[in-house]
Amino acid sequence: SQTIHQWPATLVQPVGSPLSLECTVEGTSNPNLYWYRQAAGRGLQLLFYSVGIGQISSEVPQNLSASRPQDRQFILSSKKLLLSDSGFYLCAWMKGTDTQYFGPGTRLTVL
Amino acid sequence: KQEVTQIPAALSVPEGENLVLNCSFTDSAIYNLQWFRQDPGKGLTSLLLIQSSQREQTSGRLNASLDKSSGRSTLYIAASQPGDSATYLCAPSGFNKFYFGSGTKLNVKP
Repeated sequence: SQTIHQWPATLVQPVGSPLSLECTVEGTSNPNLYWYRQAAGRGLQLLFYSVGIGQISSEVPQNLSASRPQDRQFILSSKKLLLSDSGFYLCAWMKGTDTQYFGPGTRLTVL
Repeated sequence: KQEVTQIPAALSVPEGENLVLNCSFTDSAIYNLQWFRQDPGKGLTSLLLIQSSQREQTSGRLNASLDKSSGRSTLYIAASQPGDSATYLCAPSGFNKFYFGSGTKLNVKP
């Protein structure tokens, strides 16, 4: 069966510090991978998605970047965090036009 | 760009009631539509996936319908239970992407 992992689960970072969030998927190959952000009390905003290694599509211009160094690994990064980067970050995977599956999320607080 | 609206934003009902959650979307050219459940501080759990060629899907006490031409989907929850309390999100999909509404926060009182 397939599983998706995210770490860390929670993170508190000062403004201006770097960020690296990791997502890995097990039990499938060549999935589409997604990064979403959910601000408090709001819906999910699609940040990045990837259909293959090294292929990244950005949905919203922002302070973040994404990379896919391996087939089942997706990384979300920032060089300098802003207060507005605080939120709940969710990784997801999908094959074809099937169901999208989500990870447990990372709660990021920027102080 | 696809815009997704969910009504109501919040709902509080006594246990045992039948519920209807509404979702509307602006672009009818979708591949499928998925309903999710999110518990506080957790990731999303898939409830039902309706392909664009289908009209409805059922799983236990849940039934989701899709009217692609009018840009609407409804999630019907029968005989609600306190354990159904969560935020429910609908997400129509375009090519390689899902678009999310802000959700309906449901509270089922014992």
